[in-house]
Amino acid sequence: KNEVEQSPQNLTAQEGEFITINCSYSVGISALHWLQQHPGGGIVSLFMLSSGKKKHGRLIATINIQEKHSSLHITASHPRDSAVYICATHSYDKVIFGPGTSLSVIP
Amino acid sequence: KAGVTQTPRYLIKTRGQQVTLSCSPISGHRSVSWYQQTPGQGLQFLFEYFSETQRNKGNFPGRFSGRQFSNSRSEMNVSTLELGDSALYLCASSIKTGRSSSYEQYFGPGTRLTVT
Repeated sequence: KNEVEQSPQNLTAQEGEFITINCSYSVGISALHWLQQHPGGGIVSLFMLSSGKKKHGRLIATINIQEKHSSLHITASHPRDSAVYICATHSYDKVIFGPGTSLSVIP
Repeated sequence: KAGVTQTPRYLIKTRGQQVTLSCSPISGHRSVSWYQQTPGQGLQFLFEYFSETQRNKGNFPGRFSGRQFSNSRSEMNVSTLELGDSALYLCASSIKTGRSSSYEQYFGPGTRLTVT
């Protein structure tokens, strides 16, 4: 069983839709990291959170430590949001990445 | 402020050779992490350095090593290259944002290594 799982694996949305990407993990962590990777492009760190919720522009990330679950929400999605979204768990001695969710937003 | 830079950007090596990749973090960042990304395994953590000391190491063989210099620049070395080492190697520099487990991380563009 993968230690970090993401769902869905692939997601196609119409421009303007509200999008949710889920991340679940099986071990205790100190923080959870959401990353964005554009095709052929580099990786951008979106959020690092250890509790509650964080918001930046149209992006919102939440985490439930007890349920070992985090969600990344995109409001009013736009084609430029098309990318792979990756969650990663940080614990004392290691970082484990999820497999990523490939998002395509259609105009 | 300049971002994280990695050199070289592309590299082709032959099986059995060794390679050294370089990473210059954002000025003022003392933590540098290295990651490997492949289509099959996705992103995997290699190691983290802070103030010239290796803090954490991922599950990679001893052929993978790294170091950090006093100016926070970091290098990683892979010896006796294997075909499976072909990957995008990413470096990221980090700075704490005040809370114990919260920090900002910035990724470099990566070095694309091809082993033939």
